Amino acid sequence: DVKVTQSSRYLVKRTGEKVFLECVQDMDHENMFWYRQDPGLGLRLIYFSYDVKMKEKGDIPEGYSVSREKKERFSLILESASTNQTSMYLCATGTGDGNTIYFGEGSWLTVV
Amino acid sequence: RKEVEQDPGPFNVPEGATVAFNCTYSNSASQSFFWYRQDCRKEPKLLMSVYSSGNEDGRFTAQLNRASQYISLLIRDSKLSDSATYLCVVNLSGGSYIPTFGRGTSLIVHP
Repeated sequence: DVKVTQSSRYLVKRTGEKVFLECVQDMDHENMFWYRQDPGLGLRLIYFSYDVKMKEKGDIPEGYSVSREKKERFSLILESASTNQTSMYLCATGTGDGNTIYFGEGSWLTVV
Repeated sequence: RKEVEQDPGPFNVPEGATVAFNCTYSNSASQSFFWYRQDCRKEPKLLMSVYSSGNEDGRFTAQLNRASQYISLLIRDSKLSDSATYLCVVNLSGGSYIPTFGRGTSLIVHP
């Protein structure tokens, strides 16, 4: 079975703090994605990566950055957290041929 | 115009009912299609892929209509446990597959 692990499940951070969300997958997938999900807005793509050290902006990259130094790990970084970044963050992985993607369990971030 | 559109619902149906959802997509070059299920406060999980010829998995049937650019999900003999949000996913090709999600359709199955 594919395993996508988001180590931080529930976080509470203060405005202005730097926040790291880590995602690790064990299936050697090329593609990795970060989404955020908010009520009424669905899943919105923040960033994705299709190879080590490669990254592409999604639909809402402002206020976020990412890092992919190893194939299995894709990190989402909030340089200076703001209250409007309170959300559920979902990491996903997939092969590069348009097949199924798999999600981690999600990270619930509250910025106060 | 949103690339992938779904009726948010909720669809409120009794146990045993048959219910169908549609999802329209705007990019005619879309290559692959899926239905995901998401329970409250959980991650989305693959329900089924959608093939051109249509496909069935138990009580669930998925159809693709490329000419009209929509996919559908039919659930027969609804169970209480089918209550969830159903997300339509379309993969847009062009070098790197980028899954695009609809906002989901909420299904509530009641006794």
